[in-house]
Amino acid sequence: GDSVTQMEGPVTLSEEAFLTINCTYTATGYPSLFWYVQYPGEGLQLLLKATKADDKGSNKGFEATYRKETTSFHLEKGSVQVSDSAVYFCALREEGGSNYKLTFGKGTLLTVNP
Amino acid sequence: KAGVTQTPRYLIKTRGQQVTLSCSPISGHRSVSWYQQTPGQGLQFLFEYFSETQRNKGNFPGRFSGRQFSNSRSEMNVSTLELGDSALYLCASSLFIQGGPDTQYFGPGTRLTVL
Repeated sequence: GDSVTQMEGPVTLSEEAFLTINCTYTATGYPSLFWYVQYPGEGLQLLLKATKADDKGSNKGFEATYRKETTSFHLEKGSVQVSDSAVYFCALREEGGSNYKLTFGKGTLLTVNP
Repeated sequence: KAGVTQTPRYLIKTRGQQVTLSCSPISGHRSVSWYQQTPGQGLQFLFEYFSETQRNKGNFPGRFSGRQFSNSRSEMNVSTLELGDSALYLCASSLFIQGGPDTQYFGPGTRLTVL
């Protein structure tokens, strides 16, 4: 079945540091890929998405490129801020079938210190 | 446009009771999905509804059920609550465009505590 593997957290960075959160996936078809963010006490917010190979999703300084050859969708940001502290989830959704569920990774807790 | 709303936000129940959670999707969204989030299992898919029909169901016991109304609002019900049902229950809605659903947008969740 489908699965998503994220790097284990927690990740602790200083403000303005470079961020990478690794995400790899296993899927039988041609999935769309997503990064969601969850701030304390809140639901999930879509951060960015990519629907086909070599697509780059970007939002609020975050970027991720859909790499089919390495089945990866790593999240990056050049300069993190304290306000980026949250839990980040990588997710996939199979396309072309009839089940549109999202399959999530375990999540990576990011803490950014001033 | 208003986001996905879920009520109540917090709920405390005791074992053996039942509970109903409500979700109002973004206006125009006809697909509603439910997820359970726990520290141990992470985010797991419960079920998905479209036009009042359950299209998909995750691997949960029959105590978990749901429905969708003609205005796309959805409810989920958990009967005979167990301690392990304590979780954050998230609802997500999406448009249904040609070929499949668009992005899923999540509500703030209902935090259920079973004592």
